[in-house]
Amino acid sequence: GENVEQHPSTLSVQEGDSAVIKCTYSDSASNYFPWYKQELGKGPQLIIDIRSNVGEKKDQRIAVTLNKTAKHFSLHITETQPEDSAVYFCAASPSYSGGGADGLTFGKGTHLIIQP
Amino acid sequence: DGGITQSPKYLFRKEGQNVTLSCEQNLNHDAMYWYRQDPGQGLRLIYYSQIVNDFQKGDIAEGYSVSREKKESFPLTVTSAQKNPTAFYLCASSIVHEGETQYFGPGTRLLVL
Repeated sequence: GENVEQHPSTLSVQEGDSAVIKCTYSDSASNYFPWYKQELGKGPQLIIDIRSNVGEKKDQRIAVTLNKTAKHFSLHITETQPEDSAVYFCAASPSYSGGGADGLTFGKGTHLIIQP
Repeated sequence: DGGITQSPKYLFRKEGQNVTLSCEQNLNHDAMYWYRQDPGQGLRLIYYSQIVNDFQKGDIAEGYSVSREKKESFPLTVTSAQKNPTAFYLCASSIVHEGETQYFGPGTRLLVL
């Protein structure tokens, strides 16, 4: 099955600086990679995702990059703000194959702290 | 409003008691999931269902049971066999099981009295 490693477990950055969270995966069949943000006491919310037919995707201050050869993908947050403080999870999944393939496999999460 | 609802927000269980957590979705999704989250930990899959009247065990199914009698509902029962049930329980759904975004509910926090 798939295995997703996420680093670092805790990341503290100054407000206005950039934050980068990295994930690696093991299954070369994986080609869908979402990122979730979880605020305290709430359910995770999808913030951005990428499929393996592209190498980078941006949405305002958030971007995700994917290196399929190296089997790693990263979340980049620029101009960080206090409301970016949360736990972030990466995940990986193969596409639908009709054969009962696995769903999403999650990393263990990164606690991002934005220092004022 | 489309989305996933979970109830109750907080639930208390006494020793030897079974409790049931509710999860409802109106997104017309085929697949539904239950995860357990412990403080400072990631998401661990308890059970999932790809279609009505069918479900599969996840990584930590012992002490839990589910049913999927309707497409929009996937209740989770925490049985007395689950010796350490205190956790945050998250329900999710997706269009299909593989390669699609899972959308999460707000969660239920279960505490043992």
